[in-house]
Amino acid sequence: AQKITQTQPGMFVQEKEAVTLDCTYDTSDPSYGLFWYKQPSSGEMIFLIYQGSYDQQNATEGRYSLNFQKARKSANLVISASQLGDSAMYFCAMREGLSNTGKLIFGQGTTLQVKP
Amino acid sequence: DADVTQTPRNRITKTGKRIMLECSQTKGHDRMYWYRQDPGLGLRLIYYSFDVKDINKGEISDGYSVSRQAQAKFSLSLESAIPNQTALYFCATSDPVGTASPQYFGPGTRLLVL
Repeated sequence: AQKITQTQPGMFVQEKEAVTLDCTYDTSDPSYGLFWYKQPSSGEMIFLIYQGSYDQQNATEGRYSLNFQKARKSANLVISASQLGDSAMYFCAMREGLSNTGKLIFGQGTTLQVKP
Repeated sequence: DADVTQTPRNRITKTGKRIMLECSQTKGHDRMYWYRQDPGLGLRLIYYSFDVKDINKGEISDGYSVSRQAQAKFSLSLESAIPNQTALYFCATSDPVGTASPQYFGPGTRLLVL
């Protein structure tokens, strides 16, 4: 079974508008972390934001916020005031606390295009 | 200067050739990882290392080997390259602090096996 699911292969948003990228996860581990990464066309993976399973508040980092709904096992990324430079692929990832590898489990990604 | 560097950035090779991808980091992290990215499949873990003497296989290690030459250096080798190893390869590092530590990625190596 997929542990991280990103159901939107591609999204469009108008410049200056907000956009939500969906991510659902599946784990039986009570301790886990959720991450979002941005991959522009140049290829590098850029860390954006982190949410811990025990965090009471939704994470925010500048224009990025994470809409964490634990009961629904969703961790959607919200980008406010979209900019042309936000056009990229976005990956949701999870690290399970009981895993001794520390590895990240990635979703398949969502491609975001910001229209001027 | 970048904290995690990878060389080469691009490589074209032929089936059966041995190739090494190198990764260096200045973040001082003990943990290092090698992933490959294929279109539509996200990133998958090849090998990981917690220190120089601790190297472990990931989910797709067949056809690959690694060497941790120092805390800062972690190399990935394809002993006999095959076309389905054509992919984007990433090295990553992290702190060993619970679930909260993000992984920091190098710029990636684009490998084409003909």
